Amino acid sequence: EADIYQTPRYLVIGTGKKITLECSQTMGHDKMYWYQQDPGMELHLIHYSYGVNSTEKGDLSSESTVSRIRTEHFPLTLESARPSHTSQYLCASSEYGRQTGELFFGEGSRLTVL
Amino acid sequence: AQRVTQPEKLLSVFKGAPVELKCNYSYSGSPELFWYVQYSRQRLQLLLRHISRESIKGFTADLNKGETSFHLKKPFAQEEDSAMYYCALKAWTGNQFYFGTGTSLTVIP
Repeated sequence: EADIYQTPRYLVIGTGKKITLECSQTMGHDKMYWYQQDPGMELHLIHYSYGVNSTEKGDLSSESTVSRIRTEHFPLTLESARPSHTSQYLCASSEYGRQTGELFFGEGSRLTVL
Repeated sequence: AQRVTQPEKLLSVFKGAPVELKCNYSYSGSPELFWYVQYSRQRLQLLLRHISRESIKGFTADLNKGETSFHLKKPFAQEEDSAMYYCALKAWTGNQFYFGTGTSLTVIP
């Protein structure tokens, strides 16, 4: 079944640790995104990709990095986590084009940095 | 610049009452607008988009370019409508999506 998967769903780690949030989609979509979601705040775009070997930074400055080596895979990495990185991270995908615009979201990864 | 404004963070209505969730936008081009919904313990999902001009779960939203609004309406709220609702604008440049801060709707039995 076509879907978008995020792992881990929940992660609690200590300051200074390196973490990678995984995102995979079987939708066949070219474009993928990472959003940060905090209560009472708008969803902030932190990274996006148009396809393989394409990565761009979003509107919200982030210390994270992403890679897109395979179409279906778009992992997000924090080299040294800090408490300010505590948040919900949402991965999404969409078809790239004018006629289709729907974003499909994963279930999210809730990160807590102690 | 593109911006989506949802003025109400919290909204409570009684079951059976009409509900309207407000969304205003600013965009220099021709916008494509969406409403996304997140039910408790579920992922964010599309509710409706203005291009489709359809009613989903009794909700409708009309794009008013003069008032730059895309308010979400339902004539009779149900308890299962309680959720977080996000208005979103898709910019043609770069295919970017911009979200509002969301409105948490509670339908009181």
